[in-house]
Amino acid sequence: AQSVTQPDIHITVSEGASLELRCNYSYGATPYLFWYVQSPGQGLQLLLKYFSGDTLVQGIKGFEAEFKRSQSSFNLRKPSVHWSDAAEYFCAVGAREYGNKLVFGAGTILRVKS
Amino acid sequence: SQTIHQWPATLVQPVGSPLSLECTVEGTSNPNLYWYRQAAGRGLQLLFYSVGIGQISSEVPQNLSASRPQDRQFILSSKKLLLSDSGFYLCAWSVSPETQYFGPGTRLLVL
Repeated sequence: AQSVTQPDIHITVSEGASLELRCNYSYGATPYLFWYVQSPGQGLQLLLKYFSGDTLVQGIKGFEAEFKRSQSSFNLRKPSVHWSDAAEYFCAVGAREYGNKLVFGAGTILRVKS
Repeated sequence: SQTIHQWPATLVQPVGSPLSLECTVEGTSNPNLYWYRQAAGRGLQLLFYSVGIGQISSEVPQNLSASRPQDRQFILSSKKLLLSDSGFYLCAWSVSPETQYFGPGTRLLVL
């Protein structure tokens, strides 16, 4: 069965520090990979996506993610975190073989301390 | 550009009452449409998805139903709400099968 694991439920970083949020997946097909961000009480906003090609993808708000097939990972990074980045982050995986559906991780809540 | 609307934004309903949540998409044709539920402190659970008018796929057996009366309209309903139906309901659309875009959500509290 397809699954997505975000090992960290909460992460706290200082403003200006670097950030890495982990995502691992188990999928029986070539995956499409996504990161979404959700501010409290809001919908999900797409940060970036990977379909094929260059394994390092750039997204909005200064985020990037790297697809590592050998590790089944798609970790999200940002070199310098801003207080406005505090939110919940979701990794999601899909595949053409599995139709129109995405499988989401449980989310990682990011807290930024000043 | 495409936009997605959900209403109401917040809803408080008594147990046993009916429910109707509406989602509409603008700026695109024949989208795939999705209903998710997000319970407090938990991830997203796909409830229903639709690839066309009148075509609904249910992901989990439950107290809810969905309908798609028009190309860009997706409705989530219940005849009798349960306490466990409380949560944050998100509608999403996609035109490529993979990339989904989400609405602002409806917060439902069943008392």
